[in-house]
Amino acid sequence: GNSVTQMEGPVTLSEEAFLTINCTYTATGYPSLFWYVQYPGEGLQLLLKATKADDKGSNKGFEATYRKETTSFHLEKGSVQVSDSAVYFCALSDQGGSEKLVFGKGTKLTVNP
Amino acid sequence: DTAVSQTPKYLVTQMGNDKSIKCEQNLGHDTMYWYKQDSKKFLKIMFSYNNKELIINETVPNRFSPKSPDKAHLNLHINSLELGDSAVYFCASSQAGDLAGEQFFGPGTRLTVL
Repeated sequence: GNSVTQMEGPVTLSEEAFLTINCTYTATGYPSLFWYVQYPGEGLQLLLKATKADDKGSNKGFEATYRKETTSFHLEKGSVQVSDSAVYFCALSDQGGSEKLVFGKGTKLTVNP
Repeated sequence: DTAVSQTPKYLVTQMGNDKSIKCEQNLGHDTMYWYKQDSKKFLKIMFSYNNKELIINETVPNRFSPKSPDKAHLNLHINSLELGDSAVYFCASSQAGDLAGEQFFGPGTRLTVL
């Protein structure tokens, strides 16, 4: 079945450091790919998405590119802030007609001042 | 206005009890979901309803029964609660038929079974 693998956390960075959170997927067909973010005590929010190969999703300084050849969708940010501290989830849409999202296990990011 | 709301936010109960969690969305979406997030933050879908009709049931125990009285509401009833049911339960909604569409999540209900 479809699956998402993302790097184990937790990740701890200093403010203004460069962030990469790796995400790879296994899927049949051409799923859409997503990054969701969960701030402490809150539900998940969509951070960015890409719907086809070579698409780049971006939002709030975060970027991720849909790489079909490496089945990856790595999340990057050039300069993180304390307010970026959260849990980040990579996900894909199951295109079996069910509109189901399959999530990775989440990566906790802590940014220190 | 809150897009997806859940009640209660916290629920503490004894093993063997029956409890319900309610979810409402005011986004006009046709599809609603229940997810379970365990203590390690792993998030897994439980159920999905499209316009009051069950379309996903991810081998969840029969003790869990979703009910959708209308397309804006999806409630989750849990019978005979067990310790392993302790988790955060998230409701979500999306526009039906949009496989690239965003799912909007509620704030979660933290269930603790003692």
